[in-house]
Amino acid sequence: EAGVTQFPSHSVIEKGQTVTLRCDPISGHDNLYWYRRVMGKEIKFLLHFVKESKQDESGMPNNRFLAERTGGTYSTLKVQPAELEDSGVYFCASSQGSRVETQYFGPGTRLLVL
Amino acid sequence: GNSVTQMEGPVTLSEEAFLTINCTYTATGYPSLFWYVQYPGEGLQLLLKATKADDKGSNKGFEATYRKETTSFHLEKGSVQVSDSAVYFCALISSASKIIFGSGTRLSIRP
Repeated sequence: EAGVTQFPSHSVIEKGQTVTLRCDPISGHDNLYWYRRVMGKEIKFLLHFVKESKQDESGMPNNRFLAERTGGTYSTLKVQPAELEDSGVYFCASSQGSRVETQYFGPGTRLLVL
Repeated sequence: GNSVTQMEGPVTLSEEAFLTINCTYTATGYPSLFWYVQYPGEGLQLLLKATKADDKGSNKGFEATYRKETTSFHLEKGSVQVSDSAVYFCALISSASKIIFGSGTRLSIRP
């Protein structure tokens, strides 16, 4: 069974450009989470989907970030326009139930904004 | 609020050396504590956990004991291997059911 996959693995863009990150959860997992690790610091929660609905988006830093999960399958995280401080690693995780310790993580997308 | 503090890396050891990665936490109540590991090119994996004071989590030769009196959850392994090279994250589950991670410690093992 495939794990959580993320695309692209790396992205280098200029300040002001738009970038869209994609996450494909494990098939059948209703819960999908986005996290990010900025500048080698701690990994921080961004938001949580249950199927296509946003359950909790309290960690989204500002309105330049837009997450969607149409159809309750894969999810995208768009940053528009990107700023220098958005550089970091963006992780996606999915789980079948709501217990946080059952989350399976993807390898992350490394974003560099120049 | 809740927070996790772990020793900064990178940590470089020779194969078969003893490993300790320190982790302390601040939280209300008694949260469950975790260590996650990220091997190169892979996602984070749950390595071990402990859910109450004095519990010892263990997996793959790694151990960590939930110490309430020192609010610590230090990761230890008696004899590391090259394959243990990875980034290790200490974490807790907050009262709001979110994972609170530390900043990660990169471990490199020399053959």
